[in-house]
Amino acid sequence: GAGVSQTPSNKVTEKGKYVELRCDPISGHTALYWYRQSLGQGPEFLIYFQGTGAADDSGLPNDRFFAVRPEGSVSTLKIQRTERGDSAVYLCASSGETDTQYFGPGTRLTVL
Amino acid sequence: GQNIDQPTEMTATEGAIVQINCTYQTSGFNGLFWYQQHAGEAPTFLSYNVLDGLEEKGRFSSFLSRSKGYSYLLLKELQMKDSASYLCAVRGGQGGSYIPTFGRGTSLIVHP
Repeated sequence: GAGVSQTPSNKVTEKGKYVELRCDPISGHTALYWYRQSLGQGPEFLIYFQGTGAADDSGLPNDRFFAVRPEGSVSTLKIQRTERGDSAVYLCASSGETDTQYFGPGTRLTVL
Repeated sequence: GQNIDQPTEMTATEGAIVQINCTYQTSGFNGLFWYQQHAGEAPTFLSYNVLDGLEEKGRFSSFLSRSKGYSYLLLKELQMKDSASYLCAVRGGQGGSYIPTFGRGTSLIVHP
């Protein structure tokens, strides 16, 4: 597609459950970023991929969060044992040669 | 990390000019971005500054002073659709990180 896509657009889950959030970047973009954004805040960095490898995962809050990008394109953010504090909008962005980040529409995660 | 400061909220009148300031503290500065984010939508790229001076793009201009750790976004001929949050993001840190850190955003309200 023309832009970054993310699925699902909304996810409601119960505390303690496992969730997967998917990001499909712009074709040809080698860099992929995950952020999360709470109401009234700017996006908070989670993890950055260059190709298939996680070049910087310093923003992941704890070991319940994990992300993969096995073929250097689509990425999946995985959250185990979800907590109410994980509720936020999870944004994915990709960039190419210009380093400008192009964001997807986000996944709104609600943990009940 | 980077300390980024921008006003929380600003109001302006349709047709007027508004300047949104952003100050930052970082080592290894490697670029500053401005993004626009409408409520419930993803951030969209507006401008990128890495050298001192003014970058003009239609009704929007962005200015950078690296020595002062200061940038502003100038919006001319304001329209109602310009009501949005404006995010300042700085790239820098040890080793010249490629990960932009976002400020909390400035909520701009344009009224008739």
